[in-house]
Amino acid sequence: ETGVTQTPRHLVMGMTNKKSLKCEQHLGHNAMYWYKQSAKKPLELMFVYNFKEQTENNSVPSRFSPECPNSSHLFLHLHTLQPEDSALYLCASSQDRDRRNEQFFGPGTRLTVL
Amino acid sequence: GENVEQHPSTLSVQEGDSAVIKCTYSDSASNYFPWYKQELGKGPQLIIDIRSNVGEKKDQRIAVTLNKTAKHFSLHITETQPEDSAVYFCAASIAHASGGSYIPTFGRGTSLIVHP
Repeated sequence: ETGVTQTPRHLVMGMTNKKSLKCEQHLGHNAMYWYKQSAKKPLELMFVYNFKEQTENNSVPSRFSPECPNSSHLFLHLHTLQPEDSALYLCASSQDRDRRNEQFFGPGTRLTVL
Repeated sequence: GENVEQHPSTLSVQEGDSAVIKCTYSDSASNYFPWYKQELGKGPQLIIDIRSNVGEKKDQRIAVTLNKTAKHFSLHITETQPEDSAVYFCAASIAHASGGSYIPTFGRGTSLIVHP
């Protein structure tokens, strides 16, 4: 295992629901990332946090709301999603966004929006 | 911004054959090129990377080559085994030793199938 865990692994939600994805890293890293992985598309970076501060928001719709309470935990709060938001959501961490380049990925949450 | 193209999208080989996956990038300032392997039900995992100050790097059956002039880099897997079957992603980014942003741009992925 990579040391990055994600829960839940699978999530089915309606468009009016509110849910949250959780990511935890046990590696002592300082940077954490959310990616969206859709079929036949490149990995899309959504958000980057470095030392708990958000440093990148890649034009993500406001129905996705990230939260990083500390360097070990990252959340993605979801509300009023659309069916096209169905995808695999991957969390990753790295020791430091600037100096250490290897990103360690979690297994992902498979999200289905009905 | 950076644009990374990856080919082929699917590659089918017999066990023991070699497999080659190719990527091109657009930003000549990119200097760090990792390759990730994603198995079913798992997140991507780094398998090898190369920096722009070297042209080739090997790790057992895996090698990566980089041509900075042509802005392309390739992954070579020799003596393929069924457990090599997975989706492989290339990426390109600018990595500064003294700081600066590191946001990789990924290719679309190559599904490698190794038949026993």
